[in-house]
Amino acid sequence: DAKTTQPPSMDCAEGRAANLPCNHSTISGNEYVYWYRQIHSQGPQYIIHGLKNNETNEMASLIITEDRKSSTLILPHATLRDTAVYYCIVRVGVGSGNTGKLIFGQGTTLQVKP
Amino acid sequence: DTGVSQDPRHKITKRGQNVTFRCDPISEHNRLYWYRQTLGQGPEFLTYFQNEAQLEKSRLLSDRFSAERPKGSFSTLEIQRTEQGDSAMYLCASSLKRATNEKLFFGSGTQLSVL
Repeated sequence: DAKTTQPPSMDCAEGRAANLPCNHSTISGNEYVYWYRQIHSQGPQYIIHGLKNNETNEMASLIITEDRKSSTLILPHATLRDTAVYYCIVRVGVGSGNTGKLIFGQGTTLQVKP
Repeated sequence: DTGVSQDPRHKITKRGQNVTFRCDPISEHNRLYWYRQTLGQGPEFLTYFQNEAQLEKSRLLSDRFSAERPKGSFSTLEIQRTEQGDSAMYLCASSLKRATNEKLFFGSGTQLSVL
């Protein structure tokens, strides 16, 4: 699976949009971009994933560049409860060899401040 | 959906003792994963089961570690002769095998402290 690069930490003001970048320049055509987050003392939680098109759900939006070499996770109105470590992961989504496992990097620690 | 359950939440043991952790996945999920996480690091993959078959083991899983999923439901992770370096959070996750949008659901983990 392709490796990702994320900034180690970011701050965001409460109520503002949090934009978390991720570089995945070696992504393959059949690899999806997944985002998970981990709030202190809990297990990681799925947020959103995408292949080519931008995606939105009740938690966040995912913007993937046209060349697929980078993406941005957007939390539209960050709250204090969004303070967490955010992991960007790329993983193959199809094929008989897909184990489903995720390979985590160190992620971005997002601190939402009042 | 009651979520992934792990027991115990915390375990303190002395070096050299054996410990066993249990994971109960989401009921219809056929895949189960174990991860280890140390402070400040992302979770590291240890092993994975599809139903009762253990299909992949990481090099991190030394011969002191053994995992089972005897009936394709709950799983146990045993560490024999614990060492201080085994101190970590042990996370379990489960998923339903899909071709594309397979999502992993994680438990809250077992925090192991080896004294």
